[in-house]
Amino acid sequence: DAKTTQPNSMESNEEEPVHLPCNHSTISGTDYIHWYRQLPSQGPEYVIHGLTSNVNNRMASLAIAEDRKSSTLILHRATLRDAAVYYCITGGYGGSQGNLIFGKGTKLSVKP
Amino acid sequence: NAGVTQTPKFQVLKTGQSMTLQCAQDMNHNSMYWYRQDPGMGLRLIYYSASEGTTDKGEVPNGYNVSRLNKREFSLRLESAAPSQTSVYFCASRGVFGTVVEQFFGPGTRLTVL
Repeated sequence: DAKTTQPNSMESNEEEPVHLPCNHSTISGTDYIHWYRQLPSQGPEYVIHGLTSNVNNRMASLAIAEDRKSSTLILHRATLRDAAVYYCITGGYGGSQGNLIFGKGTKLSVKP
Repeated sequence: NAGVTQTPKFQVLKTGQSMTLQCAQDMNHNSMYWYRQDPGMGLRLIYYSASEGTTDKGEVPNGYNVSRLNKREFSLRLESAAPSQTSVYFCASRGVFGTVVEQFFGPGTRLTVL
């Protein structure tokens, strides 16, 4: 079973910020928080990951709660191309711990 | 770089037929994975290979076999296809870039078993 909880769906308007929440109350101290997204009819693609501190990259920002039991993926200005299913995944790096366990994710719709 | 490639893109089988899904990566990654994705669901891990010459079962291995032919190629075989194996199959490889670990996915194979 997936170890994270995400809303089934969210809607956003184009060019507005989007905050995608994820709860991971059973996360262990060494587990990373990974975000992937899956565009329609494509394989998933990496978005961002973090451990304790907030992270930024060219695609998004990741805000991690101080107790690490929840996190939020932030898309600063949603575009139509950001419409996808977003997966929040926790886990380690090595061996079987590096395997990603995908839940159902959050389906993000972006309205023009 | 082509990244992760999969063949075929689409396949229709009859119950009981066999087939092999091919996957190759040109990024020199050690770890490779096979997932399946049923409609409206997340991906489930079938098998993985942490390095050339090793394979391990994932969450849903029954009805499948795998071969890590070399570092580049990781194939998935259905010996006797069943309608329950109708799904989209994704192959992935994992790369490590400093502190960033990222899985790269292929475009998928859409399999229908009648």
